[in-house]
Amino acid sequence: QAHLVQSGAEVKKPGTSVTVSCKTSGYTFTNYFIYWVRQAPGQGLEWMGWINAGNGDTKYSQNFQGRVAITRDTSASTSYLELGSLRSDDTAVYYCAKGVLPGAIGYWGQGTLVTVSS
Amino acid sequence: QSVLTQPPSVSGAPGQRVTISCTGSSTNIGAGYDVHWYQQLPGAAPKLLVYGDSSRPSGVPDRFSGSKSGTSASLAITGLQPEDEGDYYCQSYDNSLSDWDVVFGGGTKLTVL
Repeated sequence: QAHLVQSGAEVKKPGTSVTVSCKTSGYTFTNYFIYWVRQAPGQGLEWMGWINAGNGDTKYSQNFQGRVAITRDTSASTSYLELGSLRSDDTAVYYCAKGVLPGAIGYWGQGTLVTVSS
Repeated sequence: QSVLTQPPSVSGAPGQRVTISCTGSSTNIGAGYDVHWYQQLPGAAPKLLVYGDSSRPSGVPDRFSGSKSGTSASLAITGLQPEDEGDYYCQSYDNSLSDWDVVFGGGTKLTVL
């Protein structure tokens, strides 16, 4: 059974950056994709990007191009999301999740609340 | 505005059947990409409910079923129960900008009357 544990809540000032970690266990990390999805308060799900944990290939939503980076540390079975140039509308719960065939998002982390406020 | 369109809300009484639609286009559902459905209960992370248009992960009751036709998909819930109340999202992929962009529907709030 896959298990994804994310880092704790963050409060950031506008213009700065945040890094959220996602430590996985219970499966072979390099055999699956990791997805990052966010949810603003009272809003729906928004895809940010994914990483092929095996070869490190990434794909990002056009909505975040230039200020998002997804990386992974295979030795730690952990993925990281970095989002820069933070704005108040980046306030959201950020989720990491494990991909399952055929392109579904099977197991989700508990979410990390990032609050952007001056 | 979401690429996949869902009704904002649906409701039904316990025991009834409800359906949630997910309408896309030729660059996503109509292009042959699979549709997946997620359930998000209040205060919780989303949970995979249906994958590959109509398959259920182990542990998901057969009261939940998915289907797809053309550029649309649907989630049906039979024998509605109070604990089904929450938000439901469809998800697929889109190739209008580049291949394998993940797209979600805007979500549907299910109320059990």
